[in-house]
Amino acid sequence: QLQLQESGPGLAKPSETLSLTCTVSGGSISTSSYYWAWIRQPPGKGLEWIGSVYYSGTTYYNPSLKSRVTMPVDTSKNHFSLKLSSVTAADTAIYYCARSHRDLNWFDPWGQGTLVTVSS
Amino acid sequence: QSALTQPASVSGSPGQSITISCTGTSSDVGSYNLVSWYQQHPGKAPKLMIYGVSKRPSGVSSRFSGSKSGNTASLTISGLQAEDESDYYCCSYAGSNTYVFGIGTKVTVL
Repeated sequence: QLQLQESGPGLAKPSETLSLTCTVSGGSISTSSYYWAWIRQPPGKGLEWIGSVYYSGTTYYNPSLKSRVTMPVDTSKNHFSLKLSSVTAADTAIYYCARSHRDLNWFDPWGQGTLVTVSS
Repeated sequence: QSALTQPASVSGSPGQSITISCTGTSSDVGSYNLVSWYQQHPGKAPKLMIYGVSKRPSGVSSRFSGSKSGNTASLTISGLQAEDESDYYCCSYAGSNTYVFGIGTKVTVL
């Protein structure tokens, strides 16, 4: 059974870079049918797609965040990461990682999510 | 990319049917049969309920169904049960390998 687990600091300072990692277990990240995605949810608010990465390193980002986001993938460690630069309080959110089907375009399964608070 | 429009809340009595709408544009919902729906209980990760507008993943109750007309997709829950009380989000492919989510709908079982 495929499982995803987010990890990383729960606190980030304004103007710094938020870094999270999603470790995939129960399956390989190097599969041709899937992308690997980051999605976030500010407290009490809705979901926002941040971006997706293919095992080859190809990335796709939300246009509204594109200038601040990078999503590297490490197939040897079966994990992918999120780096969001120049963070502000508006980036405070629960960050989820999820598998995305390349053709059917659904997100499943999801990690449990990790809360990142941006505060000095 | 603007968030898809959903009603803030929908309610119904046990056994009734309810429908949640999800309105986008001709650049997302209207252009692709790639709308998915997610159920999110408080403090939990979202769960895939419908994909490809109307397809149900294995294990999802047949009480959940989806449809689309023009720029609006819909999720219908039939035979409403207490366990269906949750937040629901739609999501559409928006071209160029990008996605847009709906603002979410809170379903209350009266």
